[in-house]
Amino acid sequence: GQQLNQSPQSMFIQEGEDVSMNCTSSSIFNTWLWYKQDPGEGPVLLIALYKAGELTSNGRLTAQFGITRKDSFLNISASIPSDVGIYFCAGQGGLTQGGSEKLVFGKGTKLTVNP
Amino acid sequence: DGGITQSPKYLFRKEGQNVTLSCEQNLNHDAMYWYRQDPGQGLRLIYYSQIVNDFQKGDIAEGYSVSREKKESFPLTVTSAQKNPTAFYLCASSIVGGGAYEQYFGPGTRLTVT
Repeated sequence: GQQLNQSPQSMFIQEGEDVSMNCTSSSIFNTWLWYKQDPGEGPVLLIALYKAGELTSNGRLTAQFGITRKDSFLNISASIPSDVGIYFCAGQGGLTQGGSEKLVFGKGTKLTVNP
Repeated sequence: DGGITQSPKYLFRKEGQNVTLSCEQNLNHDAMYWYRQDPGQGLRLIYYSQIVNDFQKGDIAEGYSVSREKKESFPLTVTSAQKNPTAFYLCASSIVGGGAYEQYFGPGTRLTVT
């Protein structure tokens, strides 16, 4: 199955720093979603994006739906220790998906925050 | 509280045995999904169901089976035909239609087969 290219694979930052990660695809998508997963738990939805160019915030998190519909970005400002985890992007509804509800996931960005 | 429950959290089985993982949701969602997650990998779709008594294969359905007899429940059976069953299994649900595609996940079941 198709997968998204998510980068970086891992990040090690100091508390208080800003973080940026992205997801790219060779195909267009109609929806981009960002999830966070804590160790041994299920992913939790952070932000959903439905329109090309859309910029949406959720607290210290900001995500953007790329204008080409082939990429998305997630930024975390002023990181704190509880931001530690794996962040996944997911795309829906591209031409290869036939418009179904199925999601395609990236492999994740593992974030470590040093106090 | 509305949500998705998966049980058990940890499951151990001997090779050659079938095992069934439970997934229940009280979100009144029509669609339910099963994913497999391996270390350092994204989520791979095993099976999904958009309506009761109907389901479709995902990308890695071989060695797995499902049923959808009730809207709230979508159990996954890992059969002895699955060559590498040890993994973290995640169940999710979503509404169908309406232009919203957010999937909500359960806490997962970690299956170890020896």
